Amino acid sequence: AAGVIQSPRHLIKEKRETATLKCYPIPRHDTVYWYQQGPGQDPQFLISFYEKMQSDKGSIPDRFSAQQFSDYHSELNMSSLELGDSALYFCASSFRSPGGSNEQFFGPGTRLTVL
Amino acid sequence: AQSVSQHNHHVILSEAASLELGCNYSYGGTVNLFWYVQYPGQHLQLLLKYFSGDPLVKGIKGFEAEFIKSKFSFNLRKPSVQWSDTAEYFCAVNNYGGSQGNLIFGKGTKLSVKP
Repeated sequence: AAGVIQSPRHLIKEKRETATLKCYPIPRHDTVYWYQQGPGQDPQFLISFYEKMQSDKGSIPDRFSAQQFSDYHSELNMSSLELGDSALYFCASSFRSPGGSNEQFFGPGTRLTVL
Repeated sequence: AQSVSQHNHHVILSEAASLELGCNYSYGGTVNLFWYVQYPGQHLQLLLKYFSGDPLVKGIKGFEAEFIKSKFSFNLRKPSVQWSDTAEYFCAVNNYGGSQGNLIFGKGTKLSVKP
């Protein structure tokens, strides 16, 4: 079965650079969630999208933005990167529309290292 | 909003020992509950989930969990652990109860199994 795809899997950036992480949900899934997991930490919710509209917002810094496109893939844009942004970034997708269970399926994550 | 607490930060067991990891959540209404496992350097994998019905849930790799509504608990168990179970275990719940919203994770329990 198709799973959530994230790219790139690994990314190394310098401080103050920008980064773009991509997430391709499972086909027919209409909702995407982004989570950040720092070293030794639990995953923290950043932001979610349902049917291409922002659905909910968590602890996402103002330097980050995200969107969901017409094909339902999502991109997380990160600017003015800081050392503390080094983390594993997970994307999850679900089918929230009526009849869907809204169960979240996680992608493999993008490991971002900021030097 | 929900909160999840996992009682044990680090558990060390010998192979064949029994395992029980505690998890408590705060929301008093309908809840969907999850246990995820994360092997070192890997992504989150779903071990088991509870949506409704039988409060004793069986998952993959011989794990099970029991939902006790009166105690707001969803403890994870395995009768006999193996060295390959060494990983971090996260309990999670939907933020707004039922299947709604992002997942709120506990701080995780690191399990080390000695061969």
